[in-house]
Amino acid sequence: SQTIHQWPATLVQPVGSPLSLECTVEGTSNPNLYWYRQAAGRGLQLLFYSVGIGQISSEVPQNLSASRPQDRQFILSSKKLLLSDSGFYLCAWSALSTDTQYFGPGTRLTVL
Amino acid sequence: AQSVTQLGSHVSVSEGALVLLRCNYSSSVPPYLFWYVQYPNQGLQLLLKYTSAATLVKGINGFEAEFKKSETSFHLTKPSAHMSDAAEYFCAVSDNGSSNTGKLIFGQGTTLQVKP
Repeated sequence: SQTIHQWPATLVQPVGSPLSLECTVEGTSNPNLYWYRQAAGRGLQLLFYSVGIGQISSEVPQNLSASRPQDRQFILSSKKLLLSDSGFYLCAWSALSTDTQYFGPGTRLTVL
Repeated sequence: AQSVTQLGSHVSVSEGALVLLRCNYSSSVPPYLFWYVQYPNQGLQLLLKYTSAATLVKGINGFEAEFKKSETSFHLTKPSAHMSDAAEYFCAVSDNGSSNTGKLIFGQGTTLQVKP
């Protein structure tokens, strides 16, 4: 069966510090991968998606970036965090042939 | 372009009462539709999905949803609410305009409160 992992689970970072969040999927090959953010009291915002290694599409211009160095690894990064980057970050995957997305447990990021 | 509207950001029901969460969609092609549930500080969990087979879809935890093309609706129901159903619920439609990306368009979510 497939599983999706995210780490860390929680993170507190000062403004201006760098960020690296990691997501890995097990039990499948060539998944589509997604990064979402949930700000407090708001819905899901799609940040990035990837249909293959090195193929990243950005949905919202911002100071975040994403990379996919391996087939089942998806990384969300920032060089300098802003207060507005605080939120709950969710990674998800889907198989190429379906639209069903499966979500990881999330990372709670607080920028102080 | 596809879009999803969830009517009511907060719904409150008594334990044992009917749960009805509303979702309307807009799609230029036959859609795939989804309901997800999110418990506090957790990821989203798939409740059910419609993929053009039976219009009444049964999901986990006693939930079901009915696809009504004429009303462009996909409302989520459960006959009897449990305290454990308190969570946030998201309706989503597949973004068929972006083939092979598997992108979903999510509604803004509905928070379900269950009162004892």
